[in-house]
Amino acid sequence: DQQVKQNSPSLSVQEGRISILNCDYTNSMFDYFLWYKKYPAEGPTFLISISSIKDKNEDGRFTVFLNKSAKHLSLHIVPSQPGDSAVYFCAASHLNFGNEKLTFGTGTRLTIIP
Amino acid sequence: NAGVTQTPKFQVLKTGQSMTLQCAQDMNHNSMYWYRQDPGMGLRLIYYSASEGTTDKGEVPNGYNVSRLNKREFSLRLESAAPSQTSVYFCASSEVINQETQYFGPGTRLLVL
Repeated sequence: DQQVKQNSPSLSVQEGRISILNCDYTNSMFDYFLWYKKYPAEGPTFLISISSIKDKNEDGRFTVFLNKSAKHLSLHIVPSQPGDSAVYFCAASHLNFGNEKLTFGTGTRLTIIP
Repeated sequence: NAGVTQTPKFQVLKTGQSMTLQCAQDMNHNSMYWYRQDPGMGLRLIYYSASEGTTDKGEVPNGYNVSRLNKREFSLRLESAAPSQTSVYFCASSEVINQETQYFGPGTRLLVL
């Protein structure tokens, strides 16, 4: 049972345009959401997170939006740059219940076209 | 400050062989984790250690054992490797067990023939 889903395995975007990566979850107990970025032959690195008490969090070119009623979150990258080409993993946890485990999605491979 | 290091980077095993994947972190983190990444499956938690001296099963623990050797080191052992264990293995650490941000190592690519 995949509790965190990334339905788009890949996405191609022109340099300078907006990249939108989507993530859906089924477990209503999740209260913290994260995005990790992964380059080939490297481990994932933390990118941005959002708590369920918020619906938006920004960090430079990266913005994460959370729609709790739809159990959906998205990562916006504006403007997209060639260095953004990577695999992006969505992850979720329920910190308030002391659950230490992160549940990851299957990833979306983002390719930025120069 | 190397962060999280893993050895080896790549390993080929025959079915039934055993091996230990090593992981070390120099960030003085209390909690450490082992994940595997398979195509179309994302990252799945194998085992974790909330603090030195404790270990717990994650989502996919069968066929693996772990040892939290000290605060820095957390090893993953395959006693009798199977082709289904062909995967990329990532070690991660975090300051405390409930901290959502984990720091990952570069991974070990394992091929079991």
